[in-house]
Amino acid sequence: DVKVTQSSRYLVKRTGEKVFLECVQDMDHENMFWYRQDPGLGLRLIYFSYDVKMKEKGDIPEGYSVSREKKERFSLILESASTNQTSMYLCASSFLNLRVKDTEAFFGQGTRLTVV
Amino acid sequence: AQKITQTQPGMFVQEKEAVTLDCTYDTSDPSYGLFWYKQPSSGEMIFLIYQGSYDQQNATEGRYSLNFQKARKSANLVISASQLGDSAMYFCAMRERKNRDDKIIFGKGTRLHILP
Repeated sequence: DVKVTQSSRYLVKRTGEKVFLECVQDMDHENMFWYRQDPGLGLRLIYFSYDVKMKEKGDIPEGYSVSREKKERFSLILESASTNQTSMYLCASSFLNLRVKDTEAFFGQGTRLTVV
Repeated sequence: AQKITQTQPGMFVQEKEAVTLDCTYDTSDPSYGLFWYKQPSSGEMIFLIYQGSYDQQNATEGRYSLNFQKARKSANLVISASQLGDSAMYFCAMRERKNRDDKIIFGKGTRLHILP
């Protein structure tokens, strides 16, 4: 079974702290994604990566950065956490869209981040 | 501009009835993929069904089928014989690929309530 693991289920951080959210996948997927989920807004794409050291901005990259030093690991970084970054963060991974099958994204269990 | 539109924030349906969840999308690419995910109250994202833009037939997976109307840019999810366990949030998503940019964009979701 595909496994996408996020390092924490719940996090509470203070305003101004640097926050790292870690995501690891074990299926040798090329693509990795970070989303945030807020009520009424669905899932919004923050950043994605199609290869090691490659990163692309999604729809809401402001206030975030990412790091992908190894294929299996994709980190989301909040340089200076703010209260408006309180949210559920979901990591996902997938194969490159070159395949007929197995094209869907697999998700981690989510990290609920509260910034106080 | 919103690329995935789900117009039904919430729906109430009697158990055993069929359900149609609406989804329209916007893209200028000829090659794309459409997905539906289910998110129960536990928070996990469960992949339900996939439709490729070149697929001639509508996708089906058990009680789930995708009513794909390409000219209308519509990809509605149909759940036959609904069950109490179908109560959840449902997300429509689209995968686009431009060069190496390969991202998956989600709609805002529809919360489905199945009534006993």
